[in-house]
Amino acid sequence: KQEVTQIPAALSVPEGENLVLNCSFTDSAIYNLQWFRQDPGKGLTSLLLIQSSQREQTSGRLNASLDKSSGRSTLYIAASQPGDSATYLCAVRDTGNQFYFGTGTSLTVIP
Amino acid sequence: ETGVTQTPRHLVMGMTNKKSLKCEQHLGHNAMYWYKQSAKKPLELMFVYNFKEQTENNSVPSRFSPECPNSSHLFLHLHTLQPEDSALYLCASSPGGLAGRETQYFGPGTRLLVL
Repeated sequence: KQEVTQIPAALSVPEGENLVLNCSFTDSAIYNLQWFRQDPGKGLTSLLLIQSSQREQTSGRLNASLDKSSGRSTLYIAASQPGDSATYLCAVRDTGNQFYFGTGTSLTVIP
Repeated sequence: ETGVTQTPRHLVMGMTNKKSLKCEQHLGHNAMYWYKQSAKKPLELMFVYNFKEQTENNSVPSRFSPECPNSSHLFLHLHTLQPEDSALYLCASSPGGLAGRETQYFGPGTRLLVL
């Protein structure tokens, strides 16, 4: 069974810093990997989707990379802002129809 | 309304009650999902519907019963729940069809408390 791990569980940084969130998964046979953000008490918002054949995706200040063979993905956030404070979740879809989520990294950006 | 909506947003029920959660998507998608999010645990996929057909049931207890009358609506019927079923229940949708290219869109969730 696929297991998804996110490190660190919590992160606090001053505004303006660049930061990296990590996601690892145990089974490299995936269709895609997706990064989400979740604000307290709310649903998830999709940030970036990387297909298994891709190495990275970019959207604004966000860049996500995928190294399928080593079972790793990173989410890079440039010039962090207080509005980036949220929990960030990664999820992998396997070659069937299953989705596996990590427990998330809770990010706080201090003004 | 646009996106994925869920009602009610909050629900408190006793263990002997019967209630239903509703999800509606206005995105023209063909796949819909129910997830359970408990504190300190990863999201757990419960059910998947593709073109109104249930394609996944991840060993969910029978006290949870899904219903998908059409591609836009998804229900989760609740009966004789346990306190450990208290959680945030999230609905999501995706275009359906081609695997590996689907972004899931989530609703705001229903916060359920079972007393």
